[in-house]
Amino acid sequence: QSVLTQPPSVSGAPGQKVTISCTGNSSNIGAYYDVHWYQHLPGRAPKLLIYGNRHRPSGVPDRFSGSKSGTSASLAITGLLAEDEGDYYCQTHDSGLSGSVFGGGTKVTVL
Amino acid sequence: EVQLVESGGGLVRPGGSLRLSCAASGFTFSTYWMSWVRQAPGKGLEWVANIKEDGIKDYYVDSVKGRFTISRDNAKNSLYLQMNSLRAEDTGLYYCVRDGGGSYNNWFDPWGQGTLVTVSS
Repeated sequence: QSVLTQPPSVSGAPGQKVTISCTGNSSNIGAYYDVHWYQHLPGRAPKLLIYGNRHRPSGVPDRFSGSKSGTSASLAITGLLAEDEGDYYCQTHDSGLSGSVFGGGTKVTVL
Repeated sequence: EVQLVESGGGLVRPGGSLRLSCAASGFTFSTYWMSWVRQAPGKGLEWVANIKEDGIKDYYVDSVKGRFTISRDNAKNSLYLQMNSLRAEDTGLYYCVRDGGGSYNNWFDPWGQGTLVTVSS
């Protein structure tokens, strides 16, 4: 069971918007640690999608956006494309565990 | 181009040992924290350990404390993970990753392709 809670799956039609939540507690997200997001496509290495809650690395389309409030964070994907199908993970630091923690991952399916 | 290439994975019996290596290139290795992250078959990502730029501080997930040791050789631009007393639950793909953002708000970028560790009798 992961310290950060994500929905197991979300789905949407091409062009639609999907949102993935990441819920933590006062030892991690609520303790003002930044949240980061990763995309893990089948057969590929994971890729950094969002860092510092809302910042996109160079090359990541602006269809991906991140936000954080209280003990939760969210990743939004707009204009959904077939190539977006894969697993998405949130990650942050946990002061109680003295290390990084990941969410359980969310599988995005494009209908 | 920043590149991380892992090696050293394989099949090992429970209780055995394995040493993973990661060759880094394309950036100043000695100025970054580095981490190992793993993924068990059919499971999510799990941070395993990280090490400070100069190698004098390291941190571990509870499940590997006392069994795994992370180390680095900045002269060789290399990161290592010595894994002892291996268990079946250590089976998975092990990724070498570069830490960004400092020790407490760190993100992982880039990722290597991973090296597979299988613990089985």
